[in-house]
Amino acid sequence: EVQMVESGGALVQPGGSLRLSCAVSGFSFSTYALLWVRQAPGKGLEHVSGLGPNADTTYYADSVQGRFTISRDNSKSTLYLQMGSLRTEDTAIYYCATMVSVPNALDIWGQGTKVTVSS
Amino acid sequence: QSVLTQPPSVSAAPGQKVTISCSGSSSNIGNNFVSWYQQLPGTAPKLLIYDNTKRPSGIPDRFSGSKSGTSATLGITGLQTDDEADYYCATWDTTLRAHWVFGGGTKLTVL
Repeated sequence: EVQMVESGGALVQPGGSLRLSCAVSGFSFSTYALLWVRQAPGKGLEHVSGLGPNADTTYYADSVQGRFTISRDNSKSTLYLQMGSLRTEDTAIYYCATMVSVPNALDIWGQGTKVTVSS
Repeated sequence: QSVLTQPPSVSAAPGQKVTISCSGSSSNIGNNFVSWYQQLPGTAPKLLIYDNTKRPSGIPDRFSGSKSGTSATLGITGLQTDDEADYYCATWDTTLRAHWVFGGGTKLTVL
C-alpha cells in the first residue's frame, strides 16, 4: 500500500524550532519529488517547500525562506522539514505529498501533522 | 490571498448538478495542467481530477473537469450528501520559481 505518514507536529513557542518527518512506503521513494503543503486553521492550501528526487532542486515559499529547510533520507524513505524561528502564522496542519501514479497532480498525501505556534 | 480564484461557496440539492470555477493566469492555468481535490472535514485532500479532465481510478464519473484558457471548472452531477466538502483547484505556477499553487477552496453544501 502506498502511504505517507507525517509526524513531529507539536505545540511550540514563537521563535522555537521543530522537525517534521514524513515516512514513505509502497513506492520507490528516491524516484519522486516530494513536497510539504500546509493548511492554516480555516484556510486554504499553501505549497511551503519541495525537493527533487536527488535533492538537487528545492523550493521554499517566501513566507518560510531562510527559516525552514527541507531534506530527504533516501535510505530511510523519509522526508523532513526542519522549521526554525517559528511564528504564530506558521500554525497549520502540514501535509507531505507527491505524484506517483498520475502526472501533473498530487495523488498521494499524508494524513497531516499539526503544528501550533503559541506562547 | 490565493493565486487561483474560486468562489467561497456553492450549494445545490441532492441529485442536482453543480460547477465550481477556478480562475488563474497565463503563468499557471494558462500553460499547465489543472487538478482538483476534495477535502472532507478533518481529512487530507484527495485527488479527483488530473490533467484538466482525467479521473484517477476509483473516482466516479459524476465528477468531471474542463479547462479553457486561464480558467478551469469542476462539475459534479447527481449530488450526494457525501459530496459535502471543500474543493480545491491546483496547478503548477512558473512565475519566478516553479511551484504548486492552489485555489482558496470552495465549500460545497448539499442542501
